[in-house]
Amino acid sequence: DAGVTQTPRHEVAEKGQTIILKCEPVSGHNDLFWYRQTKIQGLELLSYFRSKSLMEDGGAFKDRFKAEMLNSSFSTLKIQPTEPKDSAVYLCASSPRTGNTEVFFGKGTRLTVV
Amino acid sequence: GDQVEQSPSALSLHEGTGSALRCNFTTTMRAVQWFQQNSRGSLINLFYLASGTKENGRLKSTFNSKESYSTLHIRDAQLEDSGTYFCAAGTGGNNKLTFGQGTVLSVIP
Repeated sequence: DAGVTQTPRHEVAEKGQTIILKCEPVSGHNDLFWYRQTKIQGLELLSYFRSKSLMEDGGAFKDRFKAEMLNSSFSTLKIQPTEPKDSAVYLCASSPRTGNTEVFFGKGTRLTVV
Repeated sequence: GDQVEQSPSALSLHEGTGSALRCNFTTTMRAVQWFQQNSRGSLINLFYLASGTKENGRLKSTFNSKESYSTLHIRDAQLEDSGTYFCAAGTGGNNKLTFGQGTVLSVIP
């Protein structure tokens, strides 16, 4: 039973590069989330999809962050251009349906921007 | 402002002892989840509660939505329980989670 799959697990980018993080939710899940985790800010929501439709794109993260969900089994998070302050762990999560249900997380992608 | 206040921020336990972690919510939450983040960074689901109490092995969690708090009790702590514990809760009819700042638990022999 595959959980949420994220690739790559680690990414190193130079400042100004474009990077794309990938996520496959649990099969059949309806909602998909992107979170960012840093030591200072903790876990913050970046984007939220319901049935592939973008419901929230994380306000402060709008300008250089773009999440897309081209089909129900695949999502990407593009950061363009990257900055050193983007160094963080990016976590993808999914839940079976909208409403109060359990959320399951992938193992995350650790991004380092130099 | 912060909607989820988690305490303590750090906790040391000797093997075999126990303690409780707590999250207070500054707004009405519909459900709470507790996670353990291990040394590799993976968030492991411990509990999902919309109300009441659940128990799993040496862990027990309670969610009191009326009084806006949740607790996670650990008993007979083992070395493998070390890690960071997060509570996270949702306010509305979706599953967006607001996370507490985490409790770093160290279990010492």
